[in-house]
Amino acid sequence: AQKITQTQPGMFVQEKEAVTLDCTYDTSDQSYGLFWYKQPSSGEMIFLIYQGSYDEQNATEGRYSLNFQKARKSANLVISASQLGDSAMYFCAMREGGDQFYFGTGTSLTVIP
Amino acid sequence: DAGVIQSPRHEVTEMGQEVTLRCKPISGHNSLFWYRQTMMRGLELLIYFNNNVPIDDSGMPEDRFSAKMPNASFSTLKIQPSEPRDSAVYFCASSSNTGRRSPLHFGNGTRLTVT
Repeated sequence: AQKITQTQPGMFVQEKEAVTLDCTYDTSDQSYGLFWYKQPSSGEMIFLIYQGSYDEQNATEGRYSLNFQKARKSANLVISASQLGDSAMYFCAMREGGDQFYFGTGTSLTVIP
Repeated sequence: DAGVIQSPRHEVTEMGQEVTLRCKPISGHNSLFWYRQTMMRGLELLIYFNNNVPIDDSGMPEDRFSAKMPNASFSTLKIQPSEPRDSAVYFCASSSNTGRRSPLHFGNGTRLTVT
């Protein structure tokens, strides 16, 4: 089974609107971390936000927030007030008990002016 | 903090040649990862090290690929002989293994083209 599933290959959003990028994960560990990364067309991988499995509050970092639903094993990324610079690939990732990180296949987000 | 440093940024080589990619992790990070990214296969983990010791190399495609980490501040990924299907962006990333909270920090990648 896939550890991380991102079901949206591509998404479009109007500038200044909010958008949700979906991520579901599969683990039997009680302790794990969830991460989102942004990869713009220039190619670098940029860490955006982290959510711990024991964190009771949803993580927020500026315009990024993580909608964490533990029972459903989902960790969706919400981008508020989209900007043209948000157009990029977005990857969801999980870290379990060891050092290993598992990545999803990514979602390509296009912000329309 | 200089971040993860990879070299070269771009490499163009002919089939059959040896290619060596280099990586300097963030100081203090004790886990180092090599990934390959292509349009067809996405982001693939090739190998990762913990405290300079290879932990999982099951993602290394074949014997043509080898990776070393002689010390905490340097790692290499070597392809010998290279083939056109090795063309990809190769990322090095490092992390502290002080807990699941620690993110991966990526280098800017090496874009390899094998003709």
